[in-house]
Amino acid sequence: RKEVEQDPGPFNVPEGATVAFNCTYSNSASQSFFWYRQDCRKEPKLLMSVYSSGNEDGRFTAQLNRASQYISLLIRDSKLSDSATYLCVVGVGNNRKLIWGLGTSLAVNP
Amino acid sequence: GAVVSQHPSRVICKSGTSVKIECRSLDFQATTMFWYRQFPKQSLMLMATSNEGSKATYEQGVEKDKFLINHASLTLSTLTVTSAHPEDSSFYICSARKDVQETQYFGPGTRLLVL
Repeated sequence: RKEVEQDPGPFNVPEGATVAFNCTYSNSASQSFFWYRQDCRKEPKLLMSVYSSGNEDGRFTAQLNRASQYISLLIRDSKLSDSATYLCVVGVGNNRKLIWGLGTSLAVNP
Repeated sequence: GAVVSQHPSRVICKSGTSVKIECRSLDFQATTMFWYRQFPKQSLMLMATSNEGSKATYEQGVEKDKFLINHASLTLSTLTVTSAHPEDSSFYICSARKDVQETQYFGPGTRLLVL
């Protein structure tokens, strides 16, 4: 079993749609949680950290369920510019080593 | 956010040569830098963790004699791919962090092609 699992997609949605991504992680001792965005042939960029209380940043909402070891990302009112790969990332250990999911590909269509 | 640079952005070399990639934190002092590799359609894989002034910690399966890491200052880490082979062709990305509680900031990556 992979340490961080995501549905690779691709998700093809029209502009304005709401789309949800899910992620599960296997290490119950994981301490930090993130969603990153990676555009084709570019480095990943931090989208948001994820907290147990849930957090929202504009059109983006992230949730963490520690009991189920499950992380989600909701994107509302999708824009063309949201097209990218969304990476679920988990920090483990005292050194907060980052473990990366394979990513979920999103294509927002006009 | 903080700025991390990498140089070169892309390199093409012949099999058997060595390639050095630099990673710099431009506006903060990075106690820890990380080196990742990403093959097409795969996730980022951590190769090694580098703390300033000490030896790098390599992940399982990564040869330390092949991927030499030097973290000589709080703003610079280098990765040298020695005797590169075509299977080393990949996207190499560094990241830097001020301390363990802080976010990792990523460099733009170096695309290596070994012919």
